[in-house]
Amino acid sequence: GQQLNQSPQSMFIQEGEDVSMNCTSSSIFNTWLWYKQDPGEGPVLLIALYKAGELTSNGRLTAQFGITRKDSFLNISASIPSDVGIYFCAGSTSGTYKYIFGTGTRLKVLA
Amino acid sequence: NAGVTQTPKFQVLKTGQSMTLQCAQDMNHEYMSWYRQDPGMGLRLIHYSVGAGITDQGEVPNGYNVSRSTTEDFPLRLLSAAPSQTSVYFCASSPRADPGQFFGPGTRLTVL
Repeated sequence: GQQLNQSPQSMFIQEGEDVSMNCTSSSIFNTWLWYKQDPGEGPVLLIALYKAGELTSNGRLTAQFGITRKDSFLNISASIPSDVGIYFCAGSTSGTYKYIFGTGTRLKVLA
Repeated sequence: NAGVTQTPKFQVLKTGQSMTLQCAQDMNHEYMSWYRQDPGMGLRLIHYSVGAGITDQGEVPNGYNVSRSTTEDFPLRLLSAAPSQTSVYFCASSPRADPGQFFGPGTRLTVL
């Protein structure tokens, strides 16, 4: 099945550093979602984006809906140890409830 | 509210056995869905429902059946389990007007 490409696949960063990750697709999407998954848990929604060019923040997290509608970006500022986890993007086309998920970015924060 | 609940948390089956994974939500959400998550991969949509009595196939529906007789429940049935169905299964729900989904804690299924 179709999957979105996320990069990087994994990253180690120092506590306090900023983090950037992105998600790209060969298809145009009308909604982009970003989730975080902790070990043994289900994903938790972080940010939802509905319009090309939209920039939305949730605390230290900021996500952007790419203007081509084929990509999205997530930034985490001043990372802390509890930011550890897997971050997934997901996208859908207009009028559908079918979400395609990315392969995930595994984040590890070194204290 | 309990949110989205899934049972069981863990299950081991033998090849050929059938079983039902349960999912329930108490938020009166219209939309519910089932995903599977395999190691190193994102979630893949199996089946989804936009309301009671309405279901549709996702990316990977083969080997699974669903029904939606009530708003609250959305069970996933494995007809004849195969080792390729070993995975973690997540159920999710959302209000129709909001695409952001609430996920359950998952069911870890092993098929021997």
